Amino acid sequence: DGGITQSPKYLFRKEGQNVTLSCEQNLNHDAMYWYRQDPGQGLRLIYYSQIVNDFQKGDIAEGYSVSREKKESFPLTVTSAQKNPTAFYLCASSTPFAGAYNEQFFGPGTRLTVL
Amino acid sequence: DAKTTQPPSMDCAEGRAANLPCNHSTISGNEYVYWYRQIHSQGPQYIIHGLKNNETNEMASLIITEDRKSSTLILPHATLRDTAVYYCIVRAVFGNEKLTFGTGTRLTIIP
Repeated sequence: DGGITQSPKYLFRKEGQNVTLSCEQNLNHDAMYWYRQDPGQGLRLIYYSQIVNDFQKGDIAEGYSVSREKKESFPLTVTSAQKNPTAFYLCASSTPFAGAYNEQFFGPGTRLTVL
Repeated sequence: DAKTTQPPSMDCAEGRAANLPCNHSTISGNEYVYWYRQIHSQGPQYIIHGLKNNETNEMASLIITEDRKSSTLILPHATLRDTAVYYCIVRAVFGNEKLTFGTGTRLTIIP
């Protein structure tokens, strides 16, 4: 089955610890994205990558870091510098430069709780 | 990307058509209208998109006004599984790849 996997579904960490969220896709998509969602809110873009070894900051990149060493993988690290890390994190992928038809496919999300 | 305005919530009876409105009065000529939906605690799912003509697929229909300042997503025969938050997004096709999500419309299908 083609798709996007995020693991784990629920993650608990102590305050001050860095934590890395996994995102893997086997859709052969070039572009990948990380979004954050807080209760009752829409999604906000953290980072995105349109090609391997390249990524750009989104609207709320402070306190987060990413890497894109492989086309299939786009891990997100939530650092201790992120003031309010507790949230629902969503990963997505798409085929860029495909005009209007480059819909984004989303993973199931990881719900991070910092205690 | 242009800003969109949607009602925060709507109810619809099961089996009836659900009509979800969206205002995008500052849309520019190269911007498409996209609709996504998010079922509770899942990732958003693409529904449909359009530029100026009405569009239909297996999930829904999209009606865009002639001046392109508003649109309506139509779910022709709503089921309980259509209960979700529906996001209307306007974005340019080229250059900026990100989707800007507002707070959407929470649609509740009533049995």
